[in-house]
Amino acid sequence: DIQMTQSPSTLSASVGDRVTITCRASQSISSWLAWYQQKPGKAPKLLIYKASSLKSGVPSRFSGSGSGTEFTLTISSLQADDFATYYCQQYKSDSSFGQGTKVEIK
Amino acid sequence: QVQLQESGPGLVKPSETLSLTCTVSGYSISRGYYWGWIRQPPGKSLDWIGSIYPSGSTYYNPSLKSRVTISLDTSKNQFSLTLSSVTAADTAVYYCARGPEGAPHNWFDPWGQGTLVTVSS
Repeated sequence: DIQMTQSPSTLSASVGDRVTITCRASQSISSWLAWYQQKPGKAPKLLIYKASSLKSGVPSRFSGSGSGTEFTLTISSLQADDFATYYCQQYKSDSSFGQGTKVEIK
Repeated sequence: QVQLQESGPGLVKPSETLSLTCTVSGYSISRGYYWGWIRQPPGKSLDWIGSIYPSGSTYYNPSLKSRVTISLDTSKNQFSLTLSSVTAADTAVYYCARGPEGAPHNWFDPWGQGTLVTVSS
């Protein structure tokens, strides 16, 4: 099975900062990767699919890149609403998620 | 727009069977898309449990396959999850969600709000 590893586990940042989260796959998954945002007590929300395709309605400050085994989620200018936990998900073989990255207020 | 809502008992005894239902509104599940279950133990990450297509084809996480059944009831526009022989390790928030057409393994959007199931005597 494919293991997904996110870094960092926790990230402290301020409003306006550029934030980058990394997700690594234990084997190549091409571009079969999605990113989600989850706030406490709420269901995850899809942000990006196919590694870099932005879901309609998601702010353009979110972007995704990468292929193969290394991927990044970037928030170009962090907003107050973006403090949350972010998960990557591979769907090349079955499906598995990273352990999450919590973005907290610095 | 499509909305999903999980329902079922919030407490299940060890060794018994967990049963949950997801009711879909705003879209007829018999028309297409994949329909899946994902769970999240308290304070932990997400685990894909399995998915089903309107044809009845099912896809399960190999680690749970021996205990999981996912089924459809198109007359009620619902799909269901049963997980047998539960232990405390099955305590989690259980989500239902929709996957896009094209392949059984895919992203999920939208998701239900989730329901907490606790396994305890």
